[in-house]
Amino acid sequence: DAGITQSPRHKVTETGTPVTLRCHQTENHRYMYWYRQDPGHGLRLIHYSYGVKDTDKGEVSDGYSVSRSKTEDFLLTLESATSSQTSVYFCAISEGSSYNEQFFGPGTRLTVL
Amino acid sequence: AQKVTQAQTEISVVEKEDVTLDCVYETRDTTYYLFWYKQPPSGELVFLIRRNSFDEQNEISGRYSWNFQKSTSSFNFTITASQVVDSAVYFCALSGNNAGNMLTFGGGTRLMVKP
Repeated sequence: DAGITQSPRHKVTETGTPVTLRCHQTENHRYMYWYRQDPGHGLRLIHYSYGVKDTDKGEVSDGYSVSRSKTEDFLLTLESATSSQTSVYFCAISEGSSYNEQFFGPGTRLTVL
Repeated sequence: AQKVTQAQTEISVVEKEDVTLDCVYETRDTTYYLFWYKQPPSGELVFLIRRNSFDEQNEISGRYSWNFQKSTSSFNFTITASQVVDSAVYFCALSGNNAGNMLTFGGGTRLMVKP
C-alpha cells in the first residue's frame, strides 16, 4: 500500500471557523491532489500540486486554499468553513503522468455545523 | 472538457449472479486513460485497473473483466459470479492530456450483493 496518511480523520467544526487538513506521503511522489466526495458527484478535484510550492486549482476550488512547503506534505485550508463544505476529503498521490494511477489516502470526514 | 457518466446509481444482485457496471466517457483528447476504483464500506479507494486509449483488448482478472469500446466511448466492468465481498461503490475515471494529470470521476455505482 502507498504510504499516505491524512489527519485528522474526523472533524466537526462550526461555520466560520478555519480548518486545515493535512496529507502526508512517504512515497516521494511529485503530484498530490485534494478531492471531495459527495453523494451523486463521485470525487471532484479541489486543488493539486505538481511540486513544492507549485499548486493549481481544480474543479471546485472556491473557498479552499492549499500549500505545499515539503514534498511529503500537502495542506488543504478552509479559511472560513461553511455547511456546504461538509464532505469527505481525500488526498491522492501520483508519480506524475496521465498513465499513472492515483493512490488515495484514507479520507477525512468533515462536518461543518 | 471531460465527462464520465455512470448511469446506474445502485445495483442489487444475489450472490453468484453476474453483473455489469456501465461507464460512458467524453473527451476530445486522442490519448487518454481510463480507470476503475473500488470503494468498499470501509471507505478507502482501491485501484482496480487502468486502460489506455490505444488498447481496446478486453482484460480479465479472475472474476473481473473489462470491456473497452472506443466506438461507443464505453469502459464497462463485469463481475462474474458475484460475492458478498464485492459489495462496494465502484468509480470509473478518466485522465486525459491535461497539465495536472487530473482524474475526472463518474458519480459511482453502488453494488449490493445479497447472500
